[in-house]
Amino acid sequence: RKEVEQDPGPFNVPEGATVAFNCTYSNSASQSFFWYRQDCRKEPKLLMSVYSSGNEDGRFTAQLNRASQYISLLIRDSKLSDSATYLCVVNIANDYKLSFGAGTTVTVRA
Amino acid sequence: DADVTQTPRNRITKTGKRIMLECSQTKGHDRMYWYRQDPGLGLQLIYYSFDVKDINKGEISDGYSVSRQAQAKFSLSLESAIPNQTALYFCATSENRENNEQFFGPGTRLTVL
Repeated sequence: RKEVEQDPGPFNVPEGATVAFNCTYSNSASQSFFWYRQDCRKEPKLLMSVYSSGNEDGRFTAQLNRASQYISLLIRDSKLSDSATYLCVVNIANDYKLSFGAGTTVTVRA
Repeated sequence: DADVTQTPRNRITKTGKRIMLECSQTKGHDRMYWYRQDPGLGLQLIYYSFDVKDINKGEISDGYSVSRQAQAKFSLSLESAIPNQTALYFCATSENRENNEQFFGPGTRLTVL
């Protein structure tokens, strides 16, 4: 079983729509959670960390459900520039290693 | 200027050739990493280093070697390239503390024929 699993999508949505997707992780000792964004053929960049109580950053909302071992990302009022692959990233406490999901592709159309 | 740079950006080589990928950073970070990315898979860690001359194997180190002779530089070598090493390779850096953001270089697209 993969440590981090994501629905690859693609999620095709019109501008202004809301899109949400989840990521599941297998290790209950996971401590830190992140969403990275990766544009086509470019390097991943941190979008936001995910905190236990959930957090927002502008149009982006991240949630953590430790009981069910998943995190989610919601994008409101989608923009064309939100088109990208979103990587779910998990870190186990006191471990150097980040575990990356394969990514969820979002395409926002005009 | 980019904080994390990689050279070359693209490389096509033949089976059996020795290849070196270079990574340089100006962020002053102690930790450096090499990943490969294949379509449909998450980034896989090849090697990582927490300090000069500190070398640690990641998930998929077979067929690769690394060198960390300076804080700012971390090089990845393929001693004898094979076609299934065709992938996108990323270098990353982070500060010397847990659960910390990693900053990625622009990637090297390597094709082994």
